[in-house]
Order: sequence, then C-alpha cells, then structure tokens
Amino acid sequence: EADIYQTPRYLVIGTGKKITLECSQTMGHDKMYWYQQDPGMELHLIHYSYGVNSTEKGDLSSESTVSRIRTEHFPLTLESARPSHTSQYLCASRGAGKEKLFFGSGTQLSVL
Amino acid sequence: DQQVKQNSPSLSVQEGRISILNCDYTNSMFDYFLWYKKYPAEGPTFLISISSIKDKNEDGRFTVFLNKSAKHLSLHIVPSQPGDSAVYFCAASGTGTYKYIFGTGTRLKVLA
Repeated sequence: EADIYQTPRYLVIGTGKKITLECSQTMGHDKMYWYQQDPGMELHLIHYSYGVNSTEKGDLSSESTVSRIRTEHFPLTLESARPSHTSQYLCASRGAGKEKLFFGSGTQLSVL
Repeated sequence: DQQVKQNSPSLSVQEGRISILNCDYTNSMFDYFLWYKKYPAEGPTFLISISSIKDKNEDGRFTVFLNKSAKHLSLHIVPSQPGDSAVYFCAASGTGTYKYIFGTGTRLKVLA
C-alpha cells in the first residue's frame, strides 16, 4: 500500500562526511515529513514540507537541511556528519485532511 | 513536556489472549489518533486510527477505544499472535496543525 521509498537502508560513514538521505513517494502527496527516532524514544519531527518549495523545521533541533523541488522527492542532507547524528531517520507523507502518515522503511545512520 | 504518553515500556502476553496497549494525552486540541506498529530498523506501519467524534473503531483483530474525558486511548488486539510482537506507537494530531505527536512506544511480546 505504501509507495514511499527511502535509500539507503543502512549507512555507516566517518565523521565530517556530507551525506544525503533520499526519500521519494509516488502517491502525489503534498505533505512530507522527516522524523528521527532512537530506541526507546518517541519519533521526533525534524522537518516538514507542505508542498514544493515550502519547508519548515520541526520540534527537534537538527543540523540537517531539506529541499522540496519536486512533489515526489524530499531529500535530507547533513553537511558534516558527527557521531551524535547516529539515529534512524524516517520519511513520511500524507494526503490532504485527516489522514494517516505513510512511512518509508527508514535509514539507519551510523557515524563513526 | 510530553503530550502523548505511553507509560508501559513493555508488555508480555500469551498467544491467543488479549493485548491491551494504553496511551494518554494532555492536549485537548487533539482530535485524531493513530496506532502504528514498528519492527527494529524498519519504518512504522499504520494499524488503525480514530477520530474524536467516535469512541471506538474496529478493524479485524484490532480495536481502538477513545475516552475523551480521561484523555486516554487503548489498542486491543484479540487474539494476540506471535507475529504481533513489535513496538507499538500511538500518535495524535489536531485540527489546524500538520504535526503528528508520537508516544515513546510499548514493546509487545506475544509468547507462543
């Protein structure tokens, strides 16, 4: 049912590297989200987009940035990764109104 | 200040019995509630939702109950199956906001 894709699924990189986590959806959803989740913790919203060229930061401060040039694509970039960025990153989208969030499979990021 | 709380970090249930997962919220503006199931290193999967105009919603083995006066919702799984073993998150959203606030999750283990 969920047509939202994240790549890579797993990423292990060294400190200081620039990385981009990809997220694409084929449902034509305007609203897209990035959440960060650590074991035993809630999902924290780090970025939100309500359409092309519109993005907002979420509740959890994040050094990452996002872009929304096309409706279907919502990549997240870390300019200089640090060990504190180690986490699971979850992309989600939804349609208009009161609708469920559809999640991708997530990217498990480890920064050494 | 956590607006959505899942006070039980874990729950163990025998196969075939009922699993009851609980969630409390503090924000009276929330009017839409969802339950998600999550396996490690995967994205959350939607299970069931309920609008504040209802007090019960059922889908197969899953039933969600909402008590607005107590600001409490629960997810009942009957009968529980070993494949139900996962972390369950409740989430809430309100009219006029794009945010979905998640609880910290309850790890359910169904024993064969």
